[in-house]
Amino acid sequence: SQQGEEDPQALSIQEGENATMNCSYKTSINNLQWYRQNSGRGLVHLILIRSNEREKHSGRLRVTLDTSKKSSSLLITASRAADTASYFCATDALPGGGNKLTFGTGTQLKVEL
Amino acid sequence: DVKVTQSSRYLVKRTGEKVFLECVQDMDHENMFWYRQDPGLGLRLIYFSYDVKMKEKGDIPEGYSVSREKKERFSLILESASTNQTSMYLCASSFSRGYGYTFGSGTRLTVV
Repeated sequence: SQQGEEDPQALSIQEGENATMNCSYKTSINNLQWYRQNSGRGLVHLILIRSNEREKHSGRLRVTLDTSKKSSSLLITASRAADTASYFCATDALPGGGNKLTFGTGTQLKVEL
Repeated sequence: DVKVTQSSRYLVKRTGEKVFLECVQDMDHENMFWYRQDPGLGLRLIYFSYDVKMKEKGDIPEGYSVSREKKERFSLILESASTNQTSMYLCASSFSRGYGYTFGSGTRLTVV
């Protein structure tokens, strides 16, 4: 079952610009996570935000979470060509869920020189 | 550097063959997961395990089974491979709830 849906599906920006990706989900969550995938390789964990947190930062990444709207956003500031990748949100749903994550279909980000 | 290692990067198998995909992690993680990734469908959970010899079905377990005899190793088995199982298979592990996953590099399986 699809829990997270990213928007937009694809995004193309110039180096130095900011990139914003959005994620909507359907059920209550324990936490929400963002991952990056380069060119069909494995996913890399970027950041985790818990349901009682509203905002979190890690380097050039800023994640917000609005549980009332069941949505999250990932902002990458001052983007670089190396940020070109697919970005996925993943949710650890309540109730139950354990540590099982449900992933969205991803946003393909292209950062051009 | 902590790692999840998948035994094959690319694999080509014939319809009807029994296929084993191996995944090993060196982080002493309790939780391990198998996903498949298909264009337009994202990642879908096949099976997962919270402990040795324990397994639970994910969202799409049909046609698959798993084995976890040791904590560090989680194997995905395609009992009789079919062309609709052509996909990218991703293994992941995690310390506990509230922690991120570490993924392997993936196995791109083609069934002909």
